[in-house]
Amino acid sequence: GQSLEQPSEVTAVEGAIVQINCTYQTSGFYGLSWYQQHDGGAPTFLSYNALDGLEETGRFSSFLSRSDSYGYLLLQELQMKDSASYFCAVRDQTGNTGKLIFGQGTTLQVKP
Amino acid sequence: DAGVTQSPTHLIKTRGQQVTLRCSPKSGHDTVSWYQQALGQGPQFIFQYYEEEERQRGNFPDRFSGHQFPNYSSELNVNALLLGDSALYLCASSASAGSTDTQYFGPGTRLTVL
Repeated sequence: GQSLEQPSEVTAVEGAIVQINCTYQTSGFYGLSWYQQHDGGAPTFLSYNALDGLEETGRFSSFLSRSDSYGYLLLQELQMKDSASYFCAVRDQTGNTGKLIFGQGTTLQVKP
Repeated sequence: DAGVTQSPTHLIKTRGQQVTLRCSPKSGHDTVSWYQQALGQGPQFIFQYYEEEERQRGNFPDRFSGHQFPNYSSELNVNALLLGDSALYLCASSASAGSTDTQYFGPGTRLTVL
């Protein structure tokens, strides 16, 4: 089967940097995605890594190490609005349909 | 450019009843996937529709069924509701099934089964 593990909760203060880790076990691998979901809202796409290394998009960066089956999401200059749940996800290899398998999610609480 | 829309936003049903949820994909998208998200959990894949056919199904019983219309909109039907079906039901759309890891999610329908 395929599974992803990420911490359940992370707390940080405004202006700080926080890293959310994700380890995965898959039978095949295309890449690792990250989604943000505010309470009661829709998951929104943040980033995607298919190759090893760091991808930067504004205050958010995402890293992937395929050899370690590991990735992380880095949030810099934290703002109160960054308080949300963050999910890592991989695409299922079977069926070639783009079916996403999500981790359990990490709840980030940003404090003033 | 309208994003993914879902209706209704909230729904309350009792055990044994049937429910239909609706989804309109983002403009230009032809593939619709449905996910169930229990409180505090990640979304779980129910099934995906492309060209009006179910292409892949997750680990959900036959009580969960769906349909896709020629305009690419989709419905999710759940029969014989159980208390455990209470969840947020998310619809996600993408262009050309299997070609992208980016899916666009709707705001979801919050289903409560009493």
